[in-house]
Amino acid sequence: DSGVTQTPKHLITATGQRVTLRCSPRSGDLSVYWYQQSLDQGLQFLIQYYNGEERAKGNILERFSAQQFPDLHSELNLSSLELGDSALYFCASSVNPIGGGGLAGNTEAFFGQGTRLTVV
Amino acid sequence: SQKIEQNSEALNIQEGKTATLTCNYTNYSPAYLQWYRQDPGRGPVFLLLIRENEKEKRKERLKVTFDTTLKQSLFHITASQPADSATYLCALEVGSARQLTFGSGTQLTVLP
Repeated sequence: DSGVTQTPKHLITATGQRVTLRCSPRSGDLSVYWYQQSLDQGLQFLIQYYNGEERAKGNILERFSAQQFPDLHSELNLSSLELGDSALYFCASSVNPIGGGGLAGNTEAFFGQGTRLTVV
Repeated sequence: SQKIEQNSEALNIQEGKTATLTCNYTNYSPAYLQWYRQDPGRGPVFLLLIRENEKEKRKERLKVTFDTTLKQSLFHITASQPADSATYLCALEVGSARQLTFGSGTQLTVLP
């Protein structure tokens, strides 16, 4: 158990709908990351937050948005869903922000079990 | 552009042998590189981190090397076991914001 909790584990929804994925980071971790993994695809970085502020953005679609709340949990909102959005969505957390040359010894990322989104 | 490439999509080896996986990167000089293991349908699990000033790092049956001249990291699993079968991912910071970016992974199968 990584200590990162993602809900829900599975989500089936129709095209055009909007969903919210939730992530609770490990206790004490200030950084949260969201990744998308489509079938037979690698992990694609979406967005990163550190202590409530957006720190880095990857190839995240405009239909997608995220935020990190004062209690450090994060939500990823996916709207106007398309069939191609079906994927595993992972959240990860770390104590220090990975990026910007952090050299602390604890810069590894801890991943949740993911939310499997199926758009039908 | 910056790229992370892992040597092959799939690697099959016999139990007891040493598995060697390769991660190459271009157009970047990372301060460190990480290796993760991912089982089907599950989140990646951190294995090892090696810094640019470290040539080699070991953890039990795992060994990682980091050659910043060749821009390459090798990941070795000695005395491999069927339970080592999984996809192994390398990751490093890339991009202007230096976000943690993963290679596409190598699927390792250890045959009994």
